[in-house]
Amino acid sequence: GAGVSQSPSNKVTEKGKDVELRCDPISGHTALYWYRQSLGQGLEFLIYFQGNSAPDKSGLPSDRFSAERTGGSVSTLTIQRTQQEDSAVYLCASSSMGPRSGNTIYFGEGSWLTVV
Amino acid sequence: QKEVEQNSGPLSVPEGAIASLNCTYSDRVSQSFFWYRQYSGKSPELIMSIYSNGDKEDGRFTAQLNKASQYVSLLIRDSQPSDSATYLCAVRRDDKIIFGKGTRLHILP
Repeated sequence: GAGVSQSPSNKVTEKGKDVELRCDPISGHTALYWYRQSLGQGLEFLIYFQGNSAPDKSGLPSDRFSAERTGGSVSTLTIQRTQQEDSAVYLCASSSMGPRSGNTIYFGEGSWLTVV
Repeated sequence: QKEVEQNSGPLSVPEGAIASLNCTYSDRVSQSFFWYRQYSGKSPELIMSIYSNGDKEDGRFTAQLNKASQYVSLLIRDSQPSDSATYLCAVRRDDKIIFGKGTRLHILP
């Protein structure tokens, strides 16, 4: 696609429910990143994929968070048993190569999650 | 010490003046440095990237890197009201790109 596409753009869910966020990176981009940004805060690194593998999962806040990527393209971030502190915008980004190349990462418009 | 530190601001600059945004980082092995601009409610967009010591200019923007001091800055010349936004400094460390919390810039008409 022309840009990084994320869905849903907005999600309101009840505490305790599971949510799934989707990211479709720019066509041909092998590297994919998930960040979280709480209101008025900076970007918190969650996880990075190179192809279908995730070399670094250390940013995931808890075992309620998981992510996968299939076919080297679409990625899903799943949050189980959501809590109010999970409310944030979840940003996905992609680049044509991994970060070691210094390549620019391009962001999607984000998925705004509100847990009530 | 936070990995990437920025003054949160707000930094108020008169229209037409030079805005100077600063960032320090803690990990000496960091290799790549980026400045992103984020408008309220929008996702970040890349302004500049810099990889070696010195200055890099692109239009009204100049990025400056000093690896010995672990310091990177962004200068915006002839500031415009449309430059009002939050500016995020980002640093590549291993396979992560770490962001600072950003500096809010307000250009006064």
